[in-house]
Amino acid sequence: GAGVSQTPSNKVTEKGKYVELRCDPISGHTALYWYRQSLGQGPEFLIYFQGTGAADDSGLPNDRFFAVRPEGSVSTLKIQRTERGDSAVYLCASSLGAVSTDTQYFGPGTRLTVL
Amino acid sequence: AQSVTQLDSQVPVFEEAPVELRCNYSSSVSVYLFWYVQYPNQGLQLLLKYLSGSTLVESINGFEAEFNKSQTSFHLRKPSVHISDTAEYFCAVSEGAGGTSYGKLTFGQGTILTVHP
Repeated sequence: GAGVSQTPSNKVTEKGKYVELRCDPISGHTALYWYRQSLGQGPEFLIYFQGTGAADDSGLPNDRFFAVRPEGSVSTLKIQRTERGDSAVYLCASSLGAVSTDTQYFGPGTRLTVL
Repeated sequence: AQSVTQLDSQVPVFEEAPVELRCNYSSSVSVYLFWYVQYPNQGLQLLLKYLSGSTLVESINGFEAEFNKSQTSFHLRKPSVHISDTAEYFCAVSEGAGGTSYGKLTFGQGTILTVHP
């Protein structure tokens, strides 16, 4: 079956611009996670959705970052007034449920470059 | 809060040699442990996980990892590597049974395994 998909695969933008990154989770998965992977580092947690609600957004670095999941499926990560330090690969993962034992399936990521 | 340390950023080995990728974690609560693999130009894939029971867990492609609670370690091993094992490997933890958290993963920095012919 189809895995987690993310669009675009690459996004180049200028400092100060607004960007949206999209994640399509595996059908039927209720839990959705966003992570950010900077060069040479492991992924870092940003936000977690259970259904439509953001159950934990403690990893969002500041108020320029926002994410939504209005119908409990597709999610969009939104970054306002982008900065060069936002350059990274943004990963989305989904799991069947919201317990730690459920395997998270990762998408291929969106590589964001802020010039 | 949890943290994960992968002690080696790069591990070069020759084909058919054994390999060990080291992972240590820190946590004030019980944890579940995971190894993820990222092959070149591909997304992260789960390699194996420890949830409970036997402390030795295995993957379908010959890797194994042993949970050592006293040493807070979860090292990944393979007795004989192949060229196709070349990839970046990430150790990760999440809160275990009885925790209030969900599946949020905390990752290590990653270890690049390069297998040479």
